[in-house]
Amino acid sequence: QSALTQPPSASGSPGQSVTISCTGTSSDVGGYNYVSWYQLHPGKAPKLMIYEVSKRPSGVPDRFSGSKSGNTASLTVSGLQAEDEADYYCSSYGGSTLVFGGGTKLTVL
Amino acid sequence: QVQLQESGPGLVKPSQTLSLTCTVSGGSISSGGYFWSWIRQHPGKGLEWIGYIYYRVSTHYNPSLKSRVTISPDTSKNQFSLKLSSLTAADTAVYFCASCSGGSCHHFENWGQGTLVTVSS
Repeated sequence: QSALTQPPSASGSPGQSVTISCTGTSSDVGGYNYVSWYQLHPGKAPKLMIYEVSKRPSGVPDRFSGSKSGNTASLTVSGLQAEDEADYYCSSYGGSTLVFGGGTKLTVL
Repeated sequence: QVQLQESGPGLVKPSQTLSLTCTVSGGSISSGGYFWSWIRQHPGKGLEWIGYIYYRVSTHYNPSLKSRVTISPDTSKNQFSLKLSSLTAADTAVYFCASCSGGSCHHFENWGQGTLVTVSS
């Protein structure tokens, strides 16, 4: 069982917005502004999409945004595109360790 | 941009020790300010942070794996390695190497493609 809880699946049509949640505790998500999100395509290197809750690395489209409220962080993908179909994982610093979520499979209908 | 590539056996027997290597390009593992990490993904499940090495010799491991894990550098080859002992089927996973930079490691900027390791007799 993963330390952070994510819905196993999410979906949306092209152009729509989808939000994926990531729930932890006050010892990780709620305690630090160090939540990050990763995009995994099969056979490819995972890609950092969001770090420190809401910051985007260079090259990540601004369609991707992150936020946090209490012990729950969220990743929102706006203007869905076919290439956004992938698995998304959240992660949080937990004081002396790094913890991940179980992953969410995003399907673009 | 730092690039990473994992290598190692795809099949290992139970009770044995797994040895994986991560080759780094575009950056030096001897440089300060980088944390060289291992992460794994069990089949159909989430990611699990294993540990990292920094400042060449300092290490920090996931408490749940600490007794079985060793991460070490090979600065001459710009590589770092993972050794995981006393393997069981539960260690079957895709193993990724990754890097973070800065004063501490809070997120992973660069990843390898991963290598599947199956533990089976």
